Amino acid sequence: GQQLNQSPQSMFIQEGEDVSMNCTSSSIFNTWLWYKQDPGEGPVLLIALYKAGELTSNGRLTAQFGITRKDSFLNISASIPSDVGIYFCAGQLRYNTDKLIFGTGTRLQVFP
Amino acid sequence: GAVVSQHPSWVICKSGTSVKIECRSLDFQATTMFWYRQFPKQSLMLMATSNEGSKATYEQGVEKDKFLINHASLTLSTLTVTSAHPEDSSFYICSASAGTTITDTQYFGPGTRLTVL
Repeated sequence: GQQLNQSPQSMFIQEGEDVSMNCTSSSIFNTWLWYKQDPGEGPVLLIALYKAGELTSNGRLTAQFGITRKDSFLNISASIPSDVGIYFCAGQLRYNTDKLIFGTGTRLQVFP
Repeated sequence: GAVVSQHPSWVICKSGTSVKIECRSLDFQATTMFWYRQFPKQSLMLMATSNEGSKATYEQGVEKDKFLINHASLTLSTLTVTSAHPEDSSFYICSASAGTTITDTQYFGPGTRLTVL
């Protein structure tokens, strides 16, 4: 099935550092979403973006919807140990009940 | 709010048997539910989309006769893996969307780990 390209594939950082990851697509999406998944759990929604160019924050997390509608990035500032997990971007073609296309994931490891 | 549950959380079965997984939206009515499969260290792959009271729409390559989906009410969808084989072992995750406003999004259940011996 279709997947979005997400980079980097994995990151190993020290506590307190900032993190940046991005997601690109060859297709246009009307909604971009960022999820975090802990081992053995379902994904949890972090940030939802609905307009091209939109910049949205949720605590230490900031995400932007690319102007071309083909990319998005997620930044995490001042990382803490509980940020460990896998981060997935997801694109939605049309509207709220449309299916999600997931990115390949970024595995984040934070060392104290 | 927006809680989605799955049952069971894990199941082990013998090859050739059928397994049913339930997905429930606990505090909202879900017009649409989705079923995903996730293999170890991989991303989520959509299997099918189901709307209450109608037949599910399966993604290309997903056998509809093997993965039976029933969305009988606005709060319950079931996935039945028929005649399961070891290659069906995976993490199955559902999501649900209320679909009442433009900003409604999908909320995911905790997943069901299926192991077929």
